[in-house]
Amino acid sequence: KNEVEQSPQNLTAQEGEFITINCSYSVGISALHWLQQHPGGGIVSLFMLSSGKKKHGRLIATINIQEKHSSLHITASHPRDSAVYICAVRPNTGNQFYFGTGTSLTVIP
Amino acid sequence: EPEVTQTPSHQVTQMGQEVILRCVPISNHLYFYWYRQILGQKVEFLVSFYNNEISEKSEIFDDQFSVERPDGSNFTLKIRSTKLEDSAMYFCASNNQRADTQYFGPGTRLTVL
Repeated sequence: KNEVEQSPQNLTAQEGEFITINCSYSVGISALHWLQQHPGGGIVSLFMLSSGKKKHGRLIATINIQEKHSSLHITASHPRDSAVYICAVRPNTGNQFYFGTGTSLTVIP
Repeated sequence: EPEVTQTPSHQVTQMGQEVILRCVPISNHLYFYWYRQILGQKVEFLVSFYNNEISEKSEIFDDQFSVERPDGSNFTLKIRSTKLEDSAMYFCASNNQRADTQYFGPGTRLTVL
């Protein structure tokens, strides 16, 4: 079964705090996708990674393939970072992504 | 910056009616996807499409669903006979290579009455 677990489910942070969102999965994967969903529903892709670490601005994504775990970090968080962050994995076989339930982040000024 | 577009933004239909959701992927992309998100639930994969054929589909994508790329720009999702449980946000996405980041459209909210 392709389980994708995210933690925490909900997160409230003060502006400027360093934030970590975790994603664990149960099967071997070929790729992991971090996505951001805004309150209006729109989805923005943040990272697609299969190994190591990627950085874009204040966002950093890491993945440990052996431990089947990925983290998304936000440095110097800002209220505009408030959104739902979703992890999705593509198993080694197939082209389908399986999604986590998301982490709802609220950054308070 | 190029973007994926979807029309309509909101579609209301009666149960049993056919609906067609339209997407215009980014022009040089080769892989196309449909996802859905029922209100309050997680995003679910429906289907991927490459080289004018379905490359993978989920269990959700049954005979009531079909996809088509009728011309060089549009990518459509048809639901033949809508059910109440088809009410959801439907997202289209595309990328140029399978390993690349997928670019999502803004979604079509489908409401089946």
